[in-house]
Amino acid sequence: DVKVTQSSRYLVKRTGEKVFLECVQDMDHENMFWYRQDPGLGLRLIYFSYDVKMKEKGDIPEGYSVSREKKERFSLILESASTNQTSMYLCASSLPRTGLDEQFFGPGTRLTVL
Amino acid sequence: EDQVTQSPEALRLQEGESSSLNCSYTVSGLRGLFWYRQDPGKGPEFLFTLYSAGEEKEKERLKATLTKKESFLHITAPKPEDSATYLCAVQGRDDKIIFGKGTRLHILP
Repeated sequence: DVKVTQSSRYLVKRTGEKVFLECVQDMDHENMFWYRQDPGLGLRLIYFSYDVKMKEKGDIPEGYSVSREKKERFSLILESASTNQTSMYLCASSLPRTGLDEQFFGPGTRLTVL
Repeated sequence: EDQVTQSPEALRLQEGESSSLNCSYTVSGLRGLFWYRQDPGKGPEFLFTLYSAGEEKEKERLKATLTKKESFLHITAPKPEDSATYLCAVQGRDDKIIFGKGTRLHILP
C-alpha cells in the first residue's frame, strides 16, 4: 500500500511565524503535490513537483514556497504565516506518468494561524 | 476557463435508496476524470479514473460513467458506510488538475 504521511495532524502558529509542513511518501513516486482545502472552495493546488529539486507553481502559490531535496520528501513552507493561511493542507503523490494517474493523499494537516 | 461543477452540494438518502451524483466539466482536451471519496478529517481516497466518453467503471456499489460534458457516480443500494464527500477532478491538455467542490452524501440507516 502506498503511504503518504504528513508531519503533523494539527498545528497552531502565530502570525509572522515561519511554518514548515513535511510530507513523505514511501512508494518511490516522482510526482508530489501540495493542496489546501477550504469550505466552499474545494481543493486548490499550491505547488507541485515532478522530480527532485524541481517545482512548479499551482493556482495559489502566493505566500508559500516548497522544497524537494529528496524524492520521497516534499516540504511546504509558509515564510510568514498569516491568518488567511488557516486551512487544511493536503499532500499527495502519484506515479511517474505526468500526474495523470490517481493521486494518493496524506491524512492532512489542519493549520490554525492566530 | 477550465472548471468542474458538482451537484448536488449535499444529498441525504435512506439506506438502499439508489441515486446519482453529477460532475459537469469544461476542459481543454480531457486527459482524465477522477473520482475520490473523502471521509471527515481525512485525505481523499482514489476511486476511479475515466479517460474517454462512453467509459464506465464499477467498484462494489459504485459505478462511474463519462460523457463529453459530464460524469455520473451512481450509487446502488447504498449503506451508511458510503456516507462521505465525493470529489470529482479533471486533468486537461495542460496537465493541470482541477477539483470540484464535492458532494456530501449522507446515508440514513
